[in-house]
Amino acid sequence: GDSVTQMEGPVTLSEEAFLTINCTYTATGYPSLFWYVQYPGEGLQLLLKATKADDKGSNKGFEATYRKETTSFHLEKGSVQVSDSAVYFCALSTSAGGTSYGKLTFGQGTILTVHP
Amino acid sequence: EPEVTQTPSHQVTQMGQEVILRCVPISNHLYFYWYRQILGQKVEFLVSFYNNEISEKSEIFDDQFSVERPDGSNFTLKIRSTKLEDSAMYFCASNYLAKNIQYFGAGTRLSVL
Repeated sequence: GDSVTQMEGPVTLSEEAFLTINCTYTATGYPSLFWYVQYPGEGLQLLLKATKADDKGSNKGFEATYRKETTSFHLEKGSVQVSDSAVYFCALSTSAGGTSYGKLTFGQGTILTVHP
Repeated sequence: EPEVTQTPSHQVTQMGQEVILRCVPISNHLYFYWYRQILGQKVEFLVSFYNNEISEKSEIFDDQFSVERPDGSNFTLKIRSTKLEDSAMYFCASNYLAKNIQYFGAGTRLSVL
């Protein structure tokens, strides 16, 4: 079945440091890939997505590139802020035309803490 | 911006009791989902729902669980006889598949005592 593996956390950085959170996946078919973010006490919010190989999703300074050859979708940000402290989830879904009706399969989440 | 609304935010119940978790999806969305997140663990898919029937369910979604959309706006998850291990955060999501993006509610924290 489908699965997503994220780098172990938690990750602690100083403000303005470079962030990478690794994500690799296993999927049948051709999945769409997502990063969701969960701020303390809130639900999951879509951060960015990519739907085909070599697509780059980006939002709020975060980027991730869909790498089919390495089955990866690593999240990066050049300069993190204290407000980026949250839990980050990598996820995939199969196409809407498939039988899974787009259910999301999540990684285990990575806790990011950014200190001033 | 439209959002998915879940109520209550926190539900406390005794083991063996029935609970109903409520969700109001975004109005023009067609697919609906429940997920759960046990404290410190992954977010896990429970069930998807389309055209008034279950599209897919996980092995977690056993006979103790049911879903329905009783009035065309609410989407509910019922747990018939709660167990301690049902304690988790339950998230509702909805999806307008043309964009294949799921929008999540803030969740209901279920505590089974």
